[in-house]
Amino acid sequence: EAQVTQNPRYLITVTGKKLTVTCSQNMNHEYMSWYRQDPGLGLRQIYYSMNVEVTDKGDVPEGYKVSRKEKRNFPLILESPSPNQTSLYFCASSLRTGRAEAFFGQGTRLTVV
Amino acid sequence: DQQVKQNSPSLSVQEGRISILNCDYTNSMFDYFLWYKKYPAEGPTFLISISSIKDKNEDGRFTVFLNKSAKHLSLHIVPSQPGDSAVYFCAAGGYSGNTPLVFGKGTRLSVIA
Repeated sequence: EAQVTQNPRYLITVTGKKLTVTCSQNMNHEYMSWYRQDPGLGLRQIYYSMNVEVTDKGDVPEGYKVSRKEKRNFPLILESPSPNQTSLYFCASSLRTGRAEAFFGQGTRLTVV
Repeated sequence: DQQVKQNSPSLSVQEGRISILNCDYTNSMFDYFLWYKKYPAEGPTFLISISSIKDKNEDGRFTVFLNKSAKHLSLHIVPSQPGDSAVYFCAAGGYSGNTPLVFGKGTRLSVIA
């Protein structure tokens, strides 16, 4: 079954404690991205990756890092989380960038206290 | 500056009637448009898309209309069913292989039985 898998689904952490949200896809997609969803703001892109070792900033990259060492995985790293990063995070993958359907993961609800 | 706008945060429709969700875009270079549906606690799922070479695309109860001159697209759901109650996101992309999808803020549709 084609899918994008994120872990964990729910996470509560404290300010400043580094965390990683994993994302894996089994569709051999080249393009992967991270979004955050906040009330009234919709889906905002954090980072995206066109292929292995190719990453770029989206609309709201501050406070986040990503890596793409292999095609299927695209982890999101928060080196020093802050309360304003409390949000619902989605990973997505697609065959191409702007002209292809994106497949989304189930989401990770992160709370930073 | 928002490139993709969904000006109605919410919409209520009676079961069996037509639901019309609207989306406006500002960048005339967009040439591919998608609608996503999102239930609570799930990731967005692809619903229907349209290329700028068309002005209409149908898939069962869902039809997307594109008016390029007005930079406007709409999603029609006929007949609306209670299971259609969800948040609907409009997205735009294309024109460049490196351009990721841009999402609107979403419209919450409630279909009342």
